[in-house]
Amino acid sequence: EAGVAQSPRYKIIEKRQSVAFWCNPISGHATLYWYQQILGQGPKLLIQFQNNGVVDDSQLPKDRFSAERLKGVDSTLKIQPAKLEDSAVYLCASSLVLVLDTQYFGPGTRLTVL
Amino acid sequence: EDQVTQSPEALRLQEGESSSLNCSYTVSGLRGLFWYRQDPGKGPEFLFTLYSAGEEKEKERLKATLTKKESFLHITAPKPEDSATYLCAVRTGANNLFFGTGTRLTVIP
Repeated sequence: EAGVAQSPRYKIIEKRQSVAFWCNPISGHATLYWYQQILGQGPKLLIQFQNNGVVDDSQLPKDRFSAERLKGVDSTLKIQPAKLEDSAVYLCASSLVLVLDTQYFGPGTRLTVL
Repeated sequence: EDQVTQSPEALRLQEGESSSLNCSYTVSGLRGLFWYRQDPGKGPEFLFTLYSAGEEKEKERLKATLTKKESFLHITAPKPEDSATYLCAVRTGANNLFFGTGTRLTVIP
């Protein structure tokens, strides 16, 4: 069974530029999550989708971050404009359904903002 | 306020030297405690889920236990390939997965 796919794996941008990350969850998984992991910290949830609807985006900095999952499968997370403090690894995870299910993580995208 | 604290931050063991990692939590309505392993440059890899106090799970050299206030990840006779960061996460009543900062384990041959 294929795991969660993410691209790109690495991205370096200048501050105030925009960037987008892509995630394709495990086939059949209805729930998709985006996390931010700053070096030396645990992952922090940014947004979770159930199919193509947002379940929780309370931790998403909506002035610069946006995410969509239009067809209920793959998802895109965008940052515009980026700040230095956005440097982190962006992890995508998926699970079968929302409640009590195990989340499986992708390899992440390492973003460096200069 | 929901809180997850892992200790120690870092642990160095000789190969074969058993030890335990701690995850203490204060959350409103625990709906599961998760252990993940994370290797450098990779996403977290699922290890265990525990749902109620007294529950135990085992996998190879790892054993996870849960009480009402904390969880332990016991590592028996570790090998160098067990070196990784071990993350603890709790699912709260609000269905959010809240992670600790992890314990970085190094096993020396």
